[in-house]
Amino acid sequence: AQSVTQLDSHVSVSEGTPVLLRCNYSSSYSPSLFWYVQHPNKGLQLLLKYTSAATLVKGINGFEAEFKKSETSFHLTKPSAHMSDAAEYFCVVSGSSGNTPLVFGKGTRLSVIA
Amino acid sequence: NAGVMQNPRHLVRRRGQEARLRCSPMKGHSHVYWYRQLPEEGLKFMVYLQKENIIDESGMPKERFSAEFPKEGPSILRIQQVVRGDSAAYFCASSYQGDEKLFFGSGTQLSVL
Repeated sequence: AQSVTQLDSHVSVSEGTPVLLRCNYSSSYSPSLFWYVQHPNKGLQLLLKYTSAATLVKGINGFEAEFKKSETSFHLTKPSAHMSDAAEYFCVVSGSSGNTPLVFGKGTRLSVIA
Repeated sequence: NAGVMQNPRHLVRRRGQEARLRCSPMKGHSHVYWYRQLPEEGLKFMVYLQKENIIDESGMPKERFSAEFPKEGPSILRIQQVVRGDSAAYFCASSYQGDEKLFFGSGTQLSVL
């Protein structure tokens, strides 16, 4: 069965400094991995998706994530945080079948301090 | 092209009443998913539907909960005889032909008094 563990429930960074949100996954299949962002009172938006092509995936708003099979990790990074990045971030795993429902991590709340 | 539309945004029910949550998928999408989010938790899968078909309901409680996605009209998540523990945010997502890329609605916040 697939699962994801987001290692930090809350991360706080200063504006202009790097962001690192950590995620480890477990999957019995070759996984597809995603990061979603949820702004307050809004739906979830897809940031980026990994599907066994390039291990470094670039997403929207300057975010990227690196798939490391040896570490079973898929950490999300951004070189320089912006105030508008403050939100809840979810690491998500899916199986190889399109019918396998997405499995969400518990989320990491990112705060950005001016 | 409107996104996934959910209504109502907020729904208040007393214990024992019925709650009906509606979801209109993105135009051209034939697959709908329902997720529930409890405070401080990630989203938990409930049910996956195609038009007139339930594909996977492994995350749906066995009693009081049901879902449908008719040929015409929105998908409905129905909760009968609601209890306080049903209070949560319910999110709907849609995809094109079961593609893994899901588009989410803004959710319905259900509060049971």
